[in-house]
Amino acid sequence: AIQMTQSPSSLSASVGDRVTITCRASQAIRDDLGWYQQKPGKAPKLLIYGASSLQSGVPLRFSGSGSGTDFTLTISSLQPEDSATYYCLQDYDSSPAFGQGTKVEVK
Amino acid sequence: QVQLQESGPGLVKPSETLSLTCTVSGGSIRSYYWSWIRQPPGKGLEWIGYVYHSGDTVYNPSLKSRVTISVDTSKNQFSLKLTSVTAADTAVYYCARRTFYYGSGSYGFDYWGQGTLVTVSS
Repeated sequence: AIQMTQSPSSLSASVGDRVTITCRASQAIRDDLGWYQQKPGKAPKLLIYGASSLQSGVPLRFSGSGSGTDFTLTISSLQPEDSATYYCLQDYDSSPAFGQGTKVEVK
Repeated sequence: QVQLQESGPGLVKPSETLSLTCTVSGGSIRSYYWSWIRQPPGKGLEWIGYVYHSGDTVYNPSLKSRVTISVDTSKNQFSLKLTSVTAADTAVYYCARRTFYYGSGSYGFDYWGQGTLVTVSS
């Protein structure tokens, strides 16, 4: 099974900061990777699919990049409402697997 | 607007079977994959499996021996059964729609239910 490793596990940043979260797959997954945002007590929300395509309605400050084994989610200018846990999800081999999550705190 | 709603018992006894149903409204269940995903309290997300509208299924290998996911297109519903549950199966269970994005050739879980907490305890 493909394993997904996210880093860091948590981070704290100020409003307006540029934030980067990385996800590494245990084997190449082309660009079959999505990013999800989850706020406490809520269901996850799709932000990015296909490694770099922005889901409809998601603010342009969110972007994704990468292919193969290494992927990045970037928030270009962190906002207070971005406080959440972010998960990557590989959907390459018909057995989707999530990363362990990155908790983002906005100072 | 597509909406998903989980329903089922919130408490299940150890060794028994967990059964949940997800009702889809605002859209057809046809032409999509429908999935179950769970999250133990304070922990990360785990994909359980999905079913196509045709009834074809794919399960997480770690749960495959205990999981059955089925679909009822006449009711716009799909269901999860998890047998021989233990305390480790205590989690919030989400249903979600898996959509294929033709432009990128990839999938995403674009609609989710609100989640339902299932506790395994005697």
